[in-house]
Amino acid sequence: SQELEQSPQSLIVQEGKNLTINCTSSKTLYGLYWYKQKYGEGLIFLMMLQKGGEEKSHEKITAKLDEKKQQSSLHITASQPSHAGIYLCGADNNNDMRFGAGTRLTVKP
Amino acid sequence: ETGVTQSPTHLIKTRGQQVTLRCSSQSGHNTVSWYQQALGQGPQFIFQYYREEENGRGNFPPRFSGLQFPNYSSELNVNALELDDSALYLCASSSGQGSGETQYFGPGTRLLVL
Repeated sequence: SQELEQSPQSLIVQEGKNLTINCTSSKTLYGLYWYKQKYGEGLIFLMMLQKGGEEKSHEKITAKLDEKKQQSSLHITASQPSHAGIYLCGADNNNDMRFGAGTRLTVKP
Repeated sequence: ETGVTQSPTHLIKTRGQQVTLRCSSQSGHNTVSWYQQALGQGPQFIFQYYREEENGRGNFPPRFSGLQFPNYSSELNVNALELDDSALYLCASSSGQGSGETQYFGPGTRLLVL
């Protein structure tokens, strides 16, 4: 089965700083999803990547999928308190989705 | 907001009881997936329903069962509740089954088993 490992587990940054979250898969990724979750709430879809080398951006968040399709990164530029939450990567696994354990981001004002 | 709704938002049950959680999918979506998320972990896939049929199941015992209705809303039933069933239960809807279909999640139902 496909395993996803996220790093770091938690991250505390000062407002305005850049940060990167990584997601590494034990198998080739055929669909990689990034979600954001506020504590105890549902997941908010951010981006989906499918092609090796693909990069997508939305506002100050950029996600990349490496050429080998086994690693993805999520980069936030000039972080704001509104970026705080848990970031989860998920991978297509036939009919279900496998998730990493999440990265908890705290942004200090 | 995704348009996916879940009820109830919170629930407290005791060991051995049964519970039913409900999910209304986003308009136009015919696929519903259910996930269990324990504290500090990522969601774990329970099962998926596509056009009223179970379309994949994760590593959960048979006391976890589900239904999908003609309007594509869904129920998750858990019998003989155990303490370890305490978790956030999430449903997600998508416009089709299989890879490449983005899943949109509801706000979740938090279940506490005492």
